[in-house]
Amino acid sequence: ELKVEQNPLFLSMQEGKNYTIYCNYSTTSDRLYWYRQDPGKSLESLFVLLSNGAVKQEGRLMASLDTKARLSTLHITAAVHDLSATYFCAVDPSGAGSYQLTFGKGTKLSVIP
Amino acid sequence: NAGVTQTPKFQVLKTGQSMTLQCAQDMNHEYMSWYRQDPGMGLRLIHYSVGAGITDQGEVPNGYNVSRSTTEDFPLRLLSAAPSQTSVYFCASRRQASGNTIYFGEGSWLTVV
Repeated sequence: ELKVEQNPLFLSMQEGKNYTIYCNYSTTSDRLYWYRQDPGKSLESLFVLLSNGAVKQEGRLMASLDTKARLSTLHITAAVHDLSATYFCAVDPSGAGSYQLTFGKGTKLSVIP
Repeated sequence: NAGVTQTPKFQVLKTGQSMTLQCAQDMNHEYMSWYRQDPGMGLRLIHYSVGAGITDQGEVPNGYNVSRSTTEDFPLRLLSAAPSQTSVYFCASRRQASGNTIYFGEGSWLTVV
């Protein structure tokens, strides 16, 4: 059974600081997704990582994938209040793009002024 | 372009009642799926479909039925609602090609009393 673990589950950080969210998974996969969810809202796609060494950046967020270590990171640079949300990583274990995603439990990020 | 549309948005059911959550997408996506989200959890896959006439079970299929008679629609049926099915339900869709963004609906909040 595929396990996807995110760390930390809760993160409170000051504006302007940097931090990294970690996503570890237990089986071979080269497809990893990052989503953002605001309270009471749907999931917003942030990044799709499709190969070992993939790195993608959008604004203050940067995601990377190390398939050998079975690890993805979401790095936050100079956090601002608008980044407060819950962030999920999700893994497609099949390698065939069937998108039977297994999600982590999410990291609830609070950015404090 | 409406994307992924779910109805109803909110529903209260009595234990033992049946109901159908509707999901429709207008993007001609082959893949559709249903997830449930419970507090403190990530999303868990209930059922998915890779095309019209083809469905399969996900991680938590018990108590739910699906069918896919058209490319556009993927309804989720609760056969005999139980309090354990109180959750937020998300429908999602994407194109068959690997790596494509997965689009989520706005969610359906279901309470079973």
